[in-house]
Amino acid sequence: GAGVSQSPSNKVTEKGKDVELRCDPISGHTALYWYRQSLGQGLEFLIYFQGNSAPDKSGLPSDRFSAERTGGSVSTLTIQRTQQEDSAVYLCASSLASATSGTDTQYFGPGTRLTVL
Amino acid sequence: GNSVTQMEGPVTLSEEAFLTINCTYTATGYPSLFWYVQYPGEGLQLLLKATKADDKGSNKGFEATYRKETTSFHLEKGSVQVSDSAVYFCALSDLGSGNTGKLIFGQGTTLQVKP
Repeated sequence: GAGVSQSPSNKVTEKGKDVELRCDPISGHTALYWYRQSLGQGLEFLIYFQGNSAPDKSGLPSDRFSAERTGGSVSTLTIQRTQQEDSAVYLCASSLASATSGTDTQYFGPGTRLTVL
Repeated sequence: GNSVTQMEGPVTLSEEAFLTINCTYTATGYPSLFWYVQYPGEGLQLLLKATKADDKGSNKGFEATYRKETTSFHLEKGSVQVSDSAVYFCALSDLGSGNTGKLIFGQGTTLQVKP
């Protein structure tokens, strides 16, 4: 079956511009996560959705970062006024997990490579 | 807070050698533990997992045992192949009350296997 998909696969933008990154999770997966992979920081958690709500936004590095999820499916990560330090691979993952299900394997998309010039 | 520490790489081995990549963790509660692998040019894939103490996860000849007493989850393989060359990430997640299942990753260990 279809896995997690992300678009675009690559994005090059100029400093100060806004960007939107899209994630399509596996159908039926209620939990959705965004992570960032960069050379200096490794793999970092950004935000967690359960359905359409985001009970954990603790990893968002600044108020320039926001995310939403609609219909319990597709999610968009928006970075406003991009900076060079935002350059990284942004990964999306989904799982069947809820707080009590114990089914917590996350399946990752291929990522979006963001380069801010 | 919760954290994961992996041995630093890169690790370079000859084909058919024995592999160990050390991973230790610090956590409150009872996390699930994972090894993810990232092959060159590809995305993160789950390699194996263990959800409680003394569980052994295994896949593709790799094994790791959840050791609560030493807070470790070392990855082992008896005979590596060139195709095992990749970056390996140890991670934990905690689904306890108030937690979200978010993964906390180690820094990754690059494995290079030479013919």
